[in-house]
Order: sequence, then C-alpha cells, then structure tokens
Amino acid sequence: DTGVSQDPRHKITKRGQNVTFRCDPISEHNRLYWYRQTLGQGPEFLTYFQNEAQLEKSRLLSDRFSAERPKGSFSTLEIQRTEQGDSAMYLCASSLDRGSEYFGPGTRLTVT
Amino acid sequence: QQQVKQSPQSLIVQKGGISIINCAYENTAFDYFPWYQQFPGKGPALLIAIRPDVSEKKEGRFTISFNKSAKQFSLHIMDSQPGDSATYFCAASKGNQFYFGTGTSLTVIP
Repeated sequence: DTGVSQDPRHKITKRGQNVTFRCDPISEHNRLYWYRQTLGQGPEFLTYFQNEAQLEKSRLLSDRFSAERPKGSFSTLEIQRTEQGDSAMYLCASSLDRGSEYFGPGTRLTVT
Repeated sequence: QQQVKQSPQSLIVQKGGISIINCAYENTAFDYFPWYQQFPGKGPALLIAIRPDVSEKKEGRFTISFNKSAKQFSLHIMDSQPGDSATYFCAASKGNQFYFGTGTSLTVIP
C-alpha cells in the first residue's frame, strides 16, 4: 500500500499521560499536514510541514502539542499531559503540490 | 468562528436522483475549494476541486458550481448511487491552511 499510513490506529490513554503518533506520507511528498477531527465535525488544521520545516501552526495547537518531521519524511505528533478534550481523530495528509492532498486513515485518541 | 458554512447537515436521496450540498464562505482570500468524501473509519478522500476563476467544474457524475460574487459553491452528484452514501466535506484554502465545513451525511436509498 503506497498511501499515507498512520500508527497507531487507535490509542486509549489516561488523562495526564503523553502520547505520540506517527505519520508516514506518500513517498516523495514534500508537504505534510496534521489535522484534528472530532465527531460530527470537519477536520481542523493543526500544522503544516514543507520538507522538514514546520511552516504553519494553528492557534488551536496549544503548548502541549508538538510536531516534528526530522528528515522530511515521516512525522510525529506528540501530545503532553493529555486532557479529555484531546479525544479526537488525528489525521495526517501529504501532497506533492497544493491541491492534491491525500489523507491517511487517522489515529483515534481516547483520553479517559 | 466557522470559516466555511455547509448545509444541509444530512441528506437522503433516491437512487438515480441528484444530491446537492451547499457551502458558503466569507474570506475572499480563499483561492482553492475542494470537496472531500469520507467513509466511516477512513480519512477524507479528495473528490473534486475548483479555483475561483472558474464557475463550474465537472468530473464524471460530480460537478462543482462556484459563485464568486455570492461567495458560495456547491457539489452536485448526478445519478446518485448507494455507494455514494458517505459524509461530504467542503473546504476552502488560502496558503497551506484548509478550512473545512461541518460535513453532510448523504444517504442514497436503493
């Protein structure tokens, strides 16, 4: 499968714990996005990378959230000190050009 | 503040009918308007997209109509099929940020 992959697909954690998600974009895609989607809502933009540079970051992204793309390939999204309000689907997307974004299947986070 | 407003929230259409979903936006800086289809447990998949210099774009059974002066755009699904049953999201983009609507759950009845 050469699509965008995300790991894990599901994560259950207790409030206050740290979690890290991984996204592997389509090979050679230099653009990578993270989104958050809650039930019944559209995806909300979190952050954007072009190669290894994090070029845009939403105001929604609190200091507890950090994302990296160290070598311009895979990316990680870490949430520290998780809160119940962080429960959502975290989506990753990649593209070669703006306008051809491919989304991964998402990581569903449940904070208990 | 919702940057893109989408309606209806849900839609039921008979097989063979036309499904119409509408979106409106305020920010005239938006320059790219995609539609996504999402099945349960899957990420959104790009369906069709339009730029504001074009008033209509058609790809197979899917057509986007774009009204720049009214700041509205819509998705038309012709000859709707049960396999089209999914949630549809419109979006608008400026730069590298995409703003999504709240989604329309489409059910096509056989």
